[in-house]
Amino acid sequence: ETGVTQSPTHLIKTRGQQVTLRCSSQSGHNTVSWYQQALGQGPQFIFQYYREEENGRGNFPPRFSGLQFPNYSSELNVNALELDDSALYLCASSSPPRVDEQFFGPGTRLTVL
Amino acid sequence: TQLLEQSPQFLSIQEGENLTVYCNSSSVFSSLQWYRQEPGEGPVLLVTVVTGGEVKKLKRLTFQFGDARKDSSLHITAAQPGDTGLYLCAGGVMEYGNKLVFGAGTILRVKS
Repeated sequence: ETGVTQSPTHLIKTRGQQVTLRCSSQSGHNTVSWYQQALGQGPQFIFQYYREEENGRGNFPPRFSGLQFPNYSSELNVNALELDDSALYLCASSSPPRVDEQFFGPGTRLTVL
Repeated sequence: TQLLEQSPQFLSIQEGENLTVYCNSSSVFSSLQWYRQEPGEGPVLLVTVVTGGEVKKLKRLTFQFGDARKDSSLHITAAQPGDTGLYLCAGGVMEYGNKLVFGAGTILRVKS
């Protein structure tokens, strides 16, 4: 069984740029959730995708957007990067009926300069 | 807005001691997850509890979900240096989407 994978591992961008992060869900899981974890804090929910549709969104601005593909992999796109976007971005996969039992990938560390 | 308060924030103990981490909220959750996270890595799921009053044991770790599904605790017996890490509780919220609401975490350091 393949776990959740994310790419890239690390990324450095400058303010105003755009970034795309990628996630492959665990085998058999059709739901992907994205979280932002700032240093010293717990993860914060960004949004969730199910059957290629956004299925829930946290308190993040529209410049955070996503996609889910037919193979259940997903992308997180962030436009107009700000310094405060520097964080560990985590992807988690799950499957009904226990969509809240989420399994996380290793994360992508984004640094915005 | 659902919030989970986790305590203590930091715990430093000697090998062999017992400890308890608490997770409290005024909100009801559909489930409660406990994760352990190493620096620079993603959280690893330890347990999911879904029924009020439920108790689950994983070797030296005991997890309890409160009767009203608003709080939870993690008890570690005879802690070992390998238990060192960040412990996170997360409540399941089944509304538009099925998100997890995380506590801020407890940093545990077990000294040998």
